[in-house]
Amino acid sequence: GAVVSQHPSWVICKSGTSVKIECRSLDFQATTMFWYRQFPKQSLMLMATSNEGSKATYEQGVEKDKFLINHASLTLSTLTVTSAHPEDSSFYICSARDPTGREQYFGPGTRLTVT
Amino acid sequence: GQNIDQPTEMTATEGAIVQINCTYQTSGFNGLFWYQQHAGEAPTFLSYNVLDGLEEKGRFSSFLSRSKGYSYLLLKELQMKDSASYLCAVMDSNYQLIWGAGTKLIIKP
Repeated sequence: GAVVSQHPSWVICKSGTSVKIECRSLDFQATTMFWYRQFPKQSLMLMATSNEGSKATYEQGVEKDKFLINHASLTLSTLTVTSAHPEDSSFYICSARDPTGREQYFGPGTRLTVT
Repeated sequence: GQNIDQPTEMTATEGAIVQINCTYQTSGFNGLFWYQQHAGEAPTFLSYNVLDGLEEKGRFSSFLSRSKGYSYLLLKELQMKDSASYLCAVMDSNYQLIWGAGTKLIIKP
């Protein structure tokens, strides 16, 4: 199957700083990528849908000025958590829709801890 | 509204068979997915059903009935490594995935 990578795998940052997470589709072009957040023992929560060359579509309750998403190319989307707070500590997972639109492949996830 | 229902937790014995059910109500339907997620890891794709019937893939099979808004994932010859959460997701008319809360499967020796 298709491969989606995420970097970094885990990151610890201090409160008030910003963190950038990269999501890459390695062997296919993804016009649409998704960013999810998952708190312990909870289901995936869609944060935003990222479309190449246009603004991301954020889900209700997700602050677009805090979670900046840039889908600059067909293989790269970035999520920047600005002015991070301890409550932003979570598992952030990206996924990319394959060209057929039928399947979504997930990255390995990034565990963010804000101290 | 859109809704995906699946049991919160199930327990089964190593070597046995388990069936995880999923019922859905969504605006439109463009396929149903099953994913496996081990603790602390991202989900991995298991199966995709868009037509009624059973899709078999090794020890795992997935069934869909669109008229009933129902699917199940069948796991045979259970192994300890199958202990994970199993997520049911439906792709709606806008090609967005609607996720169930997941079923935590516990395998006992």
